[in-house]
Amino acid sequence: KNEVEQSPQNLTAQEGEFITINCSYSVGISALHWLQQHPGGGIVSLFMLSSGKKKHGRLIATINIQEKHSSLHITASHPRDSAVYICAVRGATNKLIFGTGTLLAVQP
Amino acid sequence: GAVVSQHPSWVICKSGTSVKIECRSLDFQATTMFWYRQFPKQSLMLMATSNEGSKATYEQGVEKDKFLINHASLTLSTLTVTSAHPEDSSFYICSATLLVHQETQYFGPGTRLLVL
Repeated sequence: KNEVEQSPQNLTAQEGEFITINCSYSVGISALHWLQQHPGGGIVSLFMLSSGKKKHGRLIATINIQEKHSSLHITASHPRDSAVYICAVRGATNKLIFGTGTLLAVQP
Repeated sequence: GAVVSQHPSWVICKSGTSVKIECRSLDFQATTMFWYRQFPKQSLMLMATSNEGSKATYEQGVEKDKFLINHASLTLSTLTVTSAHPEDSSFYICSATLLVHQETQYFGPGTRLLVL
């Protein structure tokens, strides 16, 4: 079992839909990251969380430390949101442990 | 925001040759740089952690004599894949952390390596 699990692995949505991607982890962490990987491979850091909730534009990230769970929400999804979304946790060694990613396709 | 570049963005080479990939922090000093490898449809796997002026720390299973890492300055780290084989074909990504805020990693755009 992976230390960081994401669901779903693949997600297809219609433009405008509300999207949720989930991340569960099994190790103690100091922070959790949500990353976006574009089709060309480049990675953008979206959020770094250690508690609570953060919002940036149409993106919202939440984390529940007790339940070892985080969610990434996209409101009013758009085709340009199509990408792979990766959850990564920072463990005791200060290294990032990555989930396998969620491939999101938003259709017009 | 902090920008990390990689060069080249893609490279095709013959089996047995060596390939050098550069990772630069363009507008900040990076104490630590990380090298990752990503195979198709898989997640990033950490290969090594590189601190300026010291030897890199390699993850279990990564051959340090095959993947040479040099971090000679606060803005440049290089990864050399020596005697490349087709199974080394992958997407290599570096990231860097700021001197004063080491929790945030800034990722480079990646280098796609194809070994024929």
